[in-house]
Amino acid sequence: NAGVTQTPKFRILKIGQSMTLQCTQDMNHNYMYWYRQDPGMGLKLIYYSVGAGITDKGEVPNGYNVSRSTTEDFPLRLELAAPSQTSVYFCASSYQGRGNTIYFGEGSWLTVV
Amino acid sequence: LAKTTQPISMDSYEGQEVNITCSHNNIATNDYITWYQQFPSQGPRFIIQGYKTKVTNEVASLFIPADRKSSTLSLPRVSLSDTAVYYCLVGDGEGYSTLTFGKGTMLLVSP
Repeated sequence: NAGVTQTPKFRILKIGQSMTLQCTQDMNHNYMYWYRQDPGMGLKLIYYSVGAGITDKGEVPNGYNVSRSTTEDFPLRLELAAPSQTSVYFCASSYQGRGNTIYFGEGSWLTVV
Repeated sequence: LAKTTQPISMDSYEGQEVNITCSHNNIATNDYITWYQQFPSQGPRFIIQGYKTKVTNEVASLFIPADRKSSTLSLPRVSLSDTAVYYCLVGDGEGYSTLTFGKGTMLLVSP
């Protein structure tokens, strides 16, 4: 059971480039999330999804896009990368229900230069 | 959405018991209290969850008073490997979609 898998683990982007962070989970969770974590800070929610075909903005959605075509996959797209998007990105998933536990991926380190 | 307040940092020594308290004054009836642990360069990991009174697992204990306006994570006999950031979250199954983790409590365990 792999849990939540993110790729790539490390990436350097030039300003203005675009890329997609991939995320997949094999736990049949209906909720999926993307967080970013800046150095010394807590996690901030970028986007989330409560099921296939349904996505919604979190606290810091600007500069990002997501899609949820399947239950398993929740890619995060960065368009026109900016230095402010240098961060660690965590994908997570959970099963709907009271007191559900969130399971995190190992993170993707992104540097925009 | 219940807001949580916890200390920024705590220091301890190996073998001691560590108690980290989280305040959540506006906790709702349906809200659970969940604690996560995060090591450097890793994603947060679930430690323990409770609704009221006391919950214990192989890693920690969670104490929740009757009014549920605070909770205390207790780590027995910490070791160097318990050095991490600990986050307190409050919410129910629906509310988790909008939860933010905050800065958490940085626990430093020294020899």
